[in-house]
Amino acid sequence: GENVEQHPSTLSVQEGDSAVIKCTYSDSASNYFPWYKQELGKGPQLIIDIRSNVGEKKDQRIAVTLNKTAKHFSLHITETQPEDSAVYFCAASETSYDKVIFGPGTSLSVIP
Amino acid sequence: DAGVIQSPRHEVTEMGQEVTLRCKPISGHNSLFWYRQTMMRGLELLIYFNNNVPIDDSGMPEDRFSAKMPNASFSTLKIQPSEPRDSAVYFCASSPGTSITGELFFGEGSRLTVL
Repeated sequence: GENVEQHPSTLSVQEGDSAVIKCTYSDSASNYFPWYKQELGKGPQLIIDIRSNVGEKKDQRIAVTLNKTAKHFSLHITETQPEDSAVYFCAASETSYDKVIFGPGTSLSVIP
Repeated sequence: DAGVIQSPRHEVTEMGQEVTLRCKPISGHNSLFWYRQTMMRGLELLIYFNNNVPIDDSGMPEDRFSAKMPNASFSTLKIQPSEPRDSAVYFCASSPGTSITGELFFGEGSRLTVL
């Protein structure tokens, strides 16, 4: 089955700096890679996703890149703000309507 | 829409007792997922349904766990008998189940503590 690894497990950055979270996956059949943000006491919420036919996708301060050959994908947050502090999960699935396997999560702290 | 609704939000029970967690998915969503979240194991997929039919239950830890989806608007996750190692936050999520979007909409979770 699919296995998703994520690094780092914790990340602390100064407000305004960039944050990068990296993930790897094991199943070459995976084609859909969402990223979720979880705030304290809440369920995870989708922030961006990318499909295997796309190498990069951007939405305002958030960007994701995918290297399908290396089975790597990354989340980049620029100009970080205190409200970006949360746990971020990468995930993978074969299709956008299949089961989604999550990475272990990265706890991001943005220091004002 | 009110989003995915889970109940109870918090449950404290004693070892050996039966626990039933409930979920109401977003109306019109075809897929429903149960996840368990712990510090040690992160977000684990337990089971998911498509059009009320269980598709993959390989993540269900053992026979003490069972899940049902009797109709499109209701699902339960039952643990009988419960054990302290079952303590976790259990999330239900629903999805439109189409190729257009794969977004999972999560409920706020049910925090279970088994003493």
